[in-house]
Formats: sequence, C-alpha cells, structure tokens
Amino acid sequence: ETGVTQSPTHLIKTRGQQVTLRCSSQSGHNTVSWYQQALGQGPQFIFQYYREEENGRGNFPPRFSGLQFPNYSSELNVNALELDDSALYLCASSHLAGGGDTQYFGPGTRLTVL
Amino acid sequence: DAKTTQPTSMDCAEGRAANLPCNHSTISGNEYVYWYRQIHSQGPQYIIHGLKNNETNEMASLIITEDRKSSTLILPHATLRDTAVYYCIVRVGGSNYKLTFGKGTLLTVNP
Repeated sequence: ETGVTQSPTHLIKTRGQQVTLRCSSQSGHNTVSWYQQALGQGPQFIFQYYREEENGRGNFPPRFSGLQFPNYSSELNVNALELDDSALYLCASSHLAGGGDTQYFGPGTRLTVL
Repeated sequence: DAKTTQPTSMDCAEGRAANLPCNHSTISGNEYVYWYRQIHSQGPQYIIHGLKNNETNEMASLIITEDRKSSTLILPHATLRDTAVYYCIVRVGGSNYKLTFGKGTLLTVNP
C-alpha cells in the first residue's frame, strides 16, 4: 500500500506567476484535503475534495483552486502568486466510510515566491 | 471544532516516558481527540485518536479523562527521533471535517 505522495518537492516562482501542485492519495482513499503551512505556524485548511467535488473551503481567496480526478489524485492551483504564498503545501488523503476518516499527510511541497 | 490548549514546549530524557497534555474543555459529545506530530519540515504524521476510551497502538497511548475535558498522549520510551511538534486536535469523526491545527507542543528528547 503506497502512502500519500506530492510533487514537486520544492518550487521557486516569482510574484504574479501561476503554480500547480500535485497529490496522489493513498490507495483506497476517496478524499483529498489541502493545507498551507507558513513558517512557524500550524497547517491551515485550504479546501477538500470528495469524489471530485469541492467539499468545504477555508479562508482562502478564489485564486486558490483545485481539482480531483477520477483516480482521486488532486491538484492545487494558485494564480497571481504573492510573496505571502511562500509556504509548505500539504495534502492529506482519507476515506470516508463507516466513521473512519483519519487524514494521512504527504511530505509536502515547499513553494518559495520571490 | 473545539479549541485545544497545549504547552508550548516540553523536554524529556531519552528512554523515559513523554507525557503530553492537552486541554479541550469545550469538546462536544461527537468530537474525537486526534494527535499528530510533525518532524521539522515534514508532513504531519498521524499518531492516534479516541472518543472516550483510552487507546493504545504501536506508537503511543491516549488517556482521556472521564469528563473528556482533557487528554494525555504518552510515548512510553521516548527516543531522539520523537523530537517533533505534537498537535492535539478535536474534530467530529466520520465526517471528513477539516483538521484545525493550533501551535502544538514542541517536544525535545534529550540524550
């Protein structure tokens, strides 16, 4: 059973550019949640996808968008990058069934915006 | 989701038990207590969760008070590799609810 994977590991972009981050969920999981972690802070919830539909969103602007694919992998897209978008981006997968929905995290993508 | 209160930092000697407290006095009846840890710059690692009964797995034990207003995560024999930030989170289970992270407790295991 493979765990949650994310790509790329590190990324450097300039202000105003767009970025796409990718996440492959753990085998058998149907839900992916995305979190942003600024330096020295705990992760903050961006949004969640369940069966290819957005299923909840945190306090992030619309330039943060996402997709989930039929194989339950997911993308996080950020448009018009700002310096404050520099952070560790984490995805977590889970499987909603019978009360068991523990989220398991990937290693994260470190985004630096210059 | 209910808020949690954890100490900012704790120290523990290698080989000794590490007891990490968490206060969640406003927890609701359908909210579980989850523990995650995060080793520097890695993704959070799930440790354990429980509703009202004490739980144990290969990593740790979770002790929840009878009134459910506080809990303690116990690492029975701490090693240097257990040095990490430990997050206590309460959330409704079986619901795909988001995880709301606080600042956690930085546990430093000393040789």
